[in-house]
Amino acid sequence: GIQVEQSPPDLILQEGANSTLRCNFSDSVNNLQWFHQNPWGQLINLFYIPSGTKQNGRLSATTVATERYSLLYISSSQTTDSGVYFCAVLYTGGFKTIFGAGTRLFVKA
Amino acid sequence: GAVVSQHPSWVICKSGTSVKIECRSLDFQATTMFWYRQFPKQSLMLMATSNEGSKATYEQGVEKDKFLINHASLTLSTLTVTSAHPEDSSFYICSALPTGYGYTFGSGTRLTVV
Repeated sequence: GIQVEQSPPDLILQEGANSTLRCNFSDSVNNLQWFHQNPWGQLINLFYIPSGTKQNGRLSATTVATERYSLLYISSSQTTDSGVYFCAVLYTGGFKTIFGAGTRLFVKA
Repeated sequence: GAVVSQHPSWVICKSGTSVKIECRSLDFQATTMFWYRQFPKQSLMLMATSNEGSKATYEQGVEKDKFLINHASLTLSTLTVTSAHPEDSSFYICSALPTGYGYTFGSGTRLTVV
């Protein structure tokens, strides 16, 4: 089955810093999403981005489907950005969404 | 739009009892819903795919007699953990795929079996 790898696994930032999270996947995908799981466990959909680039405030994402990776950019990080960021893919020909292991982010004040 | 509501948010039950978790699509119809389980500091693992009006499809290794899924309407799927034991304690999350929104998740249910 498809493999989804996220890096780095853990990240500590000083408030105000920028960061890039990466998601590599091993097969063609129909859908790719980035989620933020807050400390209470709630999953917030950040981007629905099977290809191309999108921006939403301080966050932006780019997926290069032909090279099988996606990047999530966080600029001017805030303490409220802390949590776990998951990349999830729906691979071509499949019906199940596969999650990466996540990147655990902690932003220090 | 595209909201998935999940209840309860947390539940504590005694070992041997059963617990029902509800997942509702509030502003769209969902013929298919998905149930995930998440252990502490781990990723989400798909347990089963819930299909309206038919049997659920369980992932390999998931006991269908322990985790009963019912999808009786286009807006409601339920997961019942039967004869719960402490090892069933976990975070359970449901999701649906409304058209044009990508996967949308409920807020999750934290189950503790004592």
